[in-house]
Amino acid sequence: NFMLTQPHSVSESPGKTVTISCTRSSGDIATYYVQWFQQRPGSSPTTVIYEDNQRPSGVPDRFSGSIDSSSNSASLTISGLKTEDEADYYCQSFDSTNRGVFGGGTKLTVL
Amino acid sequence: QVQLVQSGAEVKKPGSSVTVSCKASGGTFSRLAMNWVRQAPGQGLEWMGGIIPIFGTANYAQKFQGRVTITTDESTSTAYMELSSLRSEDTAVYYCASDGAQWPLEHWGQGTLVTVSS
Repeated sequence: NFMLTQPHSVSESPGKTVTISCTRSSGDIATYYVQWFQQRPGSSPTTVIYEDNQRPSGVPDRFSGSIDSSSNSASLTISGLKTEDEADYYCQSFDSTNRGVFGGGTKLTVL
Repeated sequence: QVQLVQSGAEVKKPGSSVTVSCKASGGTFSRLAMNWVRQAPGQGLEWMGGIIPIFGTANYAQKFQGRVTITTDESTSTAYMELSSLRSEDTAVYYCASDGAQWPLEHWGQGTLVTVSS
């Protein structure tokens, strides 16, 4: 099976832009869609990006997703950071046998 | 709007089993995959397995093979996750998460805390 590796934590100031990476250990990142979930303390996760770069209705367009085949990674970019964006973020994908994998999660601090 | 309502918190002894239920409403239960994800205290999300009710065959993460059983009851739109041979490391919040019309893991239950302690 494969792993998805994320930075443990990132921090940035309000109004700035932050990018969280998610590197796939084996298999082509472009073959299976990547989702991104936001989780605030004490709450269930919610989707901020699906199918690599699609944004659910209700998610601000400050959130965007992309994939980079050269680094075999996906990225979540949040622009115009707000204090309410402070949360844990997880990337997620499936393998060829439809087994799911989550990244280890990234704690975003907006300070 | 799909809603997933899970059963309440459980306290279990090491070596025992636990079953968590997840009742769905407002969607097409049979055709969309139901996943189970857990989160140990202070840790990340971990995919345990999934099932498409209409097909009935579950798919499990290698880590949980032989210890977890995921089933569904289409008549009540309820999914179940049974974890056996519990150990302290299984203490976690267990979530059900169903696929939606557009993307996987679209809808999440509120989570069920399972505490394993002697």
